[in-house]
Amino acid sequence: QVQLQESGPGLVKPSETLSLTCTVSGYSISSGYYWGWIRQPPGKGLEWIGSIYHSGSTYYNPSLKSRVTISVDTSKNQFSLKLSSVTAADTAVYYCARGYCSSTSCYKGWVQSFDYWGQGTLVTVSS
Amino acid sequence: QSALTQPASVSGSPGQSITISCTGTSSDVGGYNYVSWYQQHPGKAPKLMIYDVSKRPSGVSNRFSGSKSGNTASLTISGLQAEDEADYYCSSYTSSSTSVFGGGTKLTVL
Repeated sequence: QVQLQESGPGLVKPSETLSLTCTVSGYSISSGYYWGWIRQPPGKGLEWIGSIYHSGSTYYNPSLKSRVTISVDTSKNQFSLKLSSVTAADTAVYYCARGYCSSTSCYKGWVQSFDYWGQGTLVTVSS
Repeated sequence: QSALTQPASVSGSPGQSITISCTGTSSDVGGYNYVSWYQQHPGKAPKLMIYDVSKRPSGVSNRFSGSKSGNTASLTISGLQAEDEADYYCSSYTSSSTSVFGGGTKLTVL
């Protein structure tokens, strides 16, 4: 059973960097698939932040690209999110998820769906 | 990138069928058969209900079905049950190598 768990500070000050880690169990990240971050501001919809392949290839939401870095640590079976220069607008529940892709799609960088999700962690940006 | 367009809300009575639409462009929904649908109950993580336009993951009820025509995808729920009341989101892969979600639809079971 694939399980994902987000961890990190629940409170970040404006202008600082938000850092979260997703620990995966039940599946080895190095075996394949993409690994993504999605967020949901309170009372609003889902927003894709970015995805990373086990090899390290990354794809980011253009609206966040200048502030986002996603990295992977296969030795720890974890992947991480860093979002810099945060403001109150970055307050949200942050989810990590596995990005499913067939062998052909993975090669092309095509994430077909997000099949396993973490429970989510609320990050509040406030001084 | 622009979010996919979904109706804000839909409703139906128990036993009825409802359909939720998801409209994009030829660069996302219309260009790839990689549309997925997610169910989210309050305070819970989203759950994958449909992938690759019309495929159901193991364990998802066959009351849930998906389809696509042109730039619009649809999720149909037949035999509505009280437990189906939730928010539903569509998502698609895009030609920019990104993923995009719809704004979400609140389903009310009357």
